[in-house]
Amino acid sequence: SAVISQKPSRDICQRGTSLTIQCQVDSQVTMMFWYRQQPGQSLTLIATANQGSEATYESGFVIDKFPISRPNLTFSTLTVSNMSPEDSSIYLCSVDMHGSGGGSTDTQYFGPGTRLTVL
Amino acid sequence: QKEVEQNSGPLSVPEGAIASLNCTYSDRGSQSFFWYRQYSGKSPELIMSIYSNGDKEDGRFTAQLNKASQYVSLLIRDSQPSDSATYLCAVRGRALTFGSGTRLQVQP
Repeated sequence: SAVISQKPSRDICQRGTSLTIQCQVDSQVTMMFWYRQQPGQSLTLIATANQGSEATYESGFVIDKFPISRPNLTFSTLTVSNMSPEDSSIYLCSVDMHGSGGGSTDTQYFGPGTRLTVL
Repeated sequence: QKEVEQNSGPLSVPEGAIASLNCTYSDRGSQSFFWYRQYSGKSPELIMSIYSNGDKEDGRFTAQLNKASQYVSLLIRDSQPSDSATYLCAVRGRALTFGSGTRLQVQP
């Protein structure tokens, strides 16, 4: 598995401001993913970030609201722009690692998450 | 129709019993299936992956897959209070699609 860190671990922000979340991995990975987990809900994919190309956003998520950078194979950032209270969530970074135990499919591992509260 | 469905629970079992968690999925072409455990306030932790029909065992955990019925399950034997958490079923496409999770409570 990979060691994944996220900064900040939590933050409280004012409406209308922006927050950039960083995700760092201890090994080079091709694909990185950003998920959102709203209170009491499951995980929803925001976008997939590949190094050297534009991020691919899921339905309901747009680049103007959630710009993503992927400058190299170990690092990515997600910005939550012009925040409103509805953006209060846990934001999770995850990466693909080759499956172990004979599995041929990549397995996703998650960072510790960033808990965002918007007032 | 949701792509991955789970009963939200809570599923309550006594300590030492077998907990059975179930999941159905809609994409018949799916090939890879995962169970994650999530403690309150923590990020999901991978427990099991399964790719072929049948059973896969790892310690107290057994994952079962039936592609014809589009059904995945997780059995936890000798359940412990420390197993109390939300269990998320996930199906791999381009990324993971998660079910809503089943909250498991193991009563001492």
